[in-house]
Order: sequence, then structure tokens, then C-alpha cells
Amino acid sequence: QKEVEQNSGPLSVPEGAIASLNCTYSDRGSQSFFWYRQYSGKSPELIMFIYSNGDKEDGRFTAQLNKASQYVSLLIRDSQPSDSATYLCAVPSGNTPLVFGKGTRLSVIA
Amino acid sequence: KAGVTQTPRYLIKTRGQQVTLSCSPISGHRSVSWYQQTPGQGLQFLFEYFSETQRNKGNFPGRFSGRQFSNSRSEMNVSTLELGDSALYLCASSLGQGSRYSPLHFGNGTRLTVT
Repeated sequence: QKEVEQNSGPLSVPEGAIASLNCTYSDRGSQSFFWYRQYSGKSPELIMFIYSNGDKEDGRFTAQLNKASQYVSLLIRDSQPSDSATYLCAVPSGNTPLVFGKGTRLSVIA
Repeated sequence: KAGVTQTPRYLIKTRGQQVTLSCSPISGHRSVSWYQQTPGQGLQFLFEYFSETQRNKGNFPGRFSGRQFSNSRSEMNVSTLELGDSALYLCASSLGQGSRYSPLHFGNGTRLTVT
């Protein structure tokens, strides 16, 4: 099974700043990439997905994909305390619908 | 549109017992995947069902099994429970098989504690 790597954090940013979350993956054949947010004690919630190289923006969230470098990132602009959660990067690989990274814990300080 | 529904939310069992968890997907979704989440291992893939057939299986022992019904509802069963089976079990549904054409949407999970 191919791997998905994320920095476990915690990543601490002040309120209003940009939070940058990074993910690398090993399966060069991956075609789609997903970001999930998981609050403590809750289930993962889909926030973004991206298929093509470049940037995809949705509100305060921007996903960035670089297939050549096997790298995908998530930027959160104007970070709010309510954004404090664990962010999971996920990639389909082989017969697995999604392989998940261990997640990056984000803490937004008011 | 209702989301993915998992029942029960919490379960406490003792070693050696068996347990059945239930999942109702989003209306119209035909694929159901199951994941186990633990603090140490993160989200681990158990199996995927599409059109009542198991399409893919993760690296778990045969004590873990599942099935899907004609209405796309799914159940998973764990027999001869071990302490290490304590985890959050998550069900996710999608329109088609895998995540290539539609993302996975997760239910609230079933928290299983084995004592």
C-alpha cells in the first residue's frame, strides 16, 4: 500500500493568519486528492478535493497540487479558532478507496 | 439530504464476544467503505462494498467481515473480539466505487470499547 505523509504538528497560528498544511504521497499514479477536517471526537468531514495541477479555491480554503513533486497542500486564510482541528490528507491508491495520512493538528490562537 | 447514518454510536463489549455495526449510506450512494480509526494507526481501510459485492479488502484478519444489502445499507461484523479492536469504526459512502468520481462522505462512527 502506498503512503501518505503529513507533519503531525501541532501547528499553531494566530487568529487571522494563513495556516499552511502539507502532504506528500508515494503513488505516482494518484489522480485525485482530498482534504478532510476532523474535530476532536467527531468524524472526518470533506472540505476540499483537487484533481488537476495548480490551485483550487473554495472560500477561505485553497488546495494546491504539484504532481511532479507528489505534493499537495491546503491553505486556510484568515484562520479562526473554529478552524482548530486535525486535517487529514487522503489519496486513492490501488484497491483502497482512500489512503489517509495521520493528520496535522492545527491550533488557531485567539 | 440525510447523511451517512451509523448505529449504534457507542458499544461496550467483552473479549471473545462478537459485534455487528450498521451503516445506512446517503440516498443514491451505492458504495460503502469501512475504516477503523485508532490514535496510533490513524484511519485504516477495512473493506469496500459496491452493488452487494465486496470489491476491496484491507489488511485485517478474517474476524472482520461485512456485507451489503440490496438497498445499499451495510453491516460489518467483528467476531472473537480482542482488546486491540477498541476503536472508532467509520462508514463512508460514495456514488460510485472508490473515490475517483465522487468523494467519500463519513458517518458519525461507532465507538467500540472492548474490555
